[in-house]
Amino acid sequence: DGGITQSPKYLFRKEGQNVTLSCEQNLNHDAMYWYRQDPGQGLRLIYYSQIVNDFQKGDIAEGYSVSREKKESFPLTVTSAQKNPTAFYLCASKYGYGYTFGSGTRLTVV
Amino acid sequence: AQRVTQPEKLLSVFKGAPVELKCNYSYSGSPELFWYVQYSRQRLQLLLRHISRESIKGFTADLNKGETSFHLKKPFAQEEDSAMYYCALSGFDPMDSSYKLIFGSGTRLLVRP
Repeated sequence: DGGITQSPKYLFRKEGQNVTLSCEQNLNHDAMYWYRQDPGQGLRLIYYSQIVNDFQKGDIAEGYSVSREKKESFPLTVTSAQKNPTAFYLCASKYGYGYTFGSGTRLTVV
Repeated sequence: AQRVTQPEKLLSVFKGAPVELKCNYSYSGSPELFWYVQYSRQRLQLLLRHISRESIKGFTADLNKGETSFHLKKPFAQEEDSAMYYCALSGFDPMDSSYKLIFGSGTRLLVRP
């Protein structure tokens, strides 16, 4: 069953800790994206990657980091520098004219 | 720069009434435009895209390049249409030779019985 898998679905972390969100796809898509979803603000682009070993900052990259060592994987690290990390995070990949989305990870920092 | 504007945060209509969710965009090239829908507690899913010119669940959207708009319409709203709707634009950025999908802030549609 092909698709994008984000894990875990819910994640709790203490303030000041780094946390890494997983995004894995078996669709053989080259491009992958990370979005943050907040109420009233829609989805904002954090980072994106067109090919392996290459990625670019999106509109709200501060306090986040990514890696793209494998085509299938695009993990997002929320660092302690991110001032308001509690949010819903969505991963996506691109095929032709369309995009596929994961089911998301809700991160709560306490 | 790519930008998508959805001016309405909330749109409330009665069942059977027509619906129009507004979307305006800013992009220097030829855009690919989409409408995504997110029902309560469900995954974001593609509703329709301008290139296919199809009607899904009774919704249609026409790209108006002159007005840079891609409004979503349905002649008779149903209660099950209540959801969050996002307009999105996919365009090529020559600065980094990449495609990005940029979303509007979303409009919550509430269809009352």
